[in-house]
Amino acid sequence: DIQMTQSPSSLSASVGDRVTITCWASQPIRNYLHWYQQKPGIAPKLLIYAASNLQSGVPSRFSGSGSGTEFALTISSLQPEDFATYYCQQGYSAAFTFGPGTKVDIK
Amino acid sequence: QITLRESGPTLVKPTQTLTLTCTLSGFSLNTTELGVGWIRQPPGKALEWLTLIYWDDDERYSPSLKTRLTITKDTPKNQVVFTMSNMDPVDTGTYYCALSTDGRRFFDYWGPGTLVTVSS
Repeated sequence: DIQMTQSPSSLSASVGDRVTITCWASQPIRNYLHWYQQKPGIAPKLLIYAASNLQSGVPSRFSGSGSGTEFALTISSLQPEDFATYYCQQGYSAAFTFGPGTKVDIK
Repeated sequence: QITLRESGPTLVKPTQTLTLTCTLSGFSLNTTELGVGWIRQPPGKALEWLTLIYWDDDERYSPSLKTRLTITKDTPKNQVVFTMSNMDPVDTGTYYCALSTDGRRFFDYWGPGTLVTVSS
């Protein structure tokens, strides 16, 4: 199995802050890394696919980077609607896996 | 417009088998590169990928749960059926079906989820 880890597990930030969340894979996954945002009681929403591609309709303040085993999701200027939990997911192996999530809340 | 909706029981007893159906609209299960997966989320916990079936009937399973899971598709009905055997209270959670329309294996459409409680 490919294990995914994320750091930090949670963070407190203010509106306007730049926020970066990191995701690691236990083995190289090329760019088969995707990011989701989830708000309480709602299904996850795809933000970034293939490490750095912005899903249609997602604001440009979200960006992704990385390849191999280390990846990052950056929010350039945090907005009130961005307070949520963020998950990475690898689609490289036959069995997909999600990271444990990073909760972003209001400082 | 592409939509997915999960249906099935909201309460199952321990040792029973859970059967959930995902009904898709706006997209055909015959579409090349398409995959439909199931993901669950215990209350207050992280997402866990369970299984996925591709347009060509290729099936993939979580290694840790493989012996308990099956996934099938009914193309004429545009439905995917998921079963999990020997349910336990730790299997309580929200179960989502999700669509992968791209070969790079991400989920770009999700159902709203269905909460399944395992209790006697």
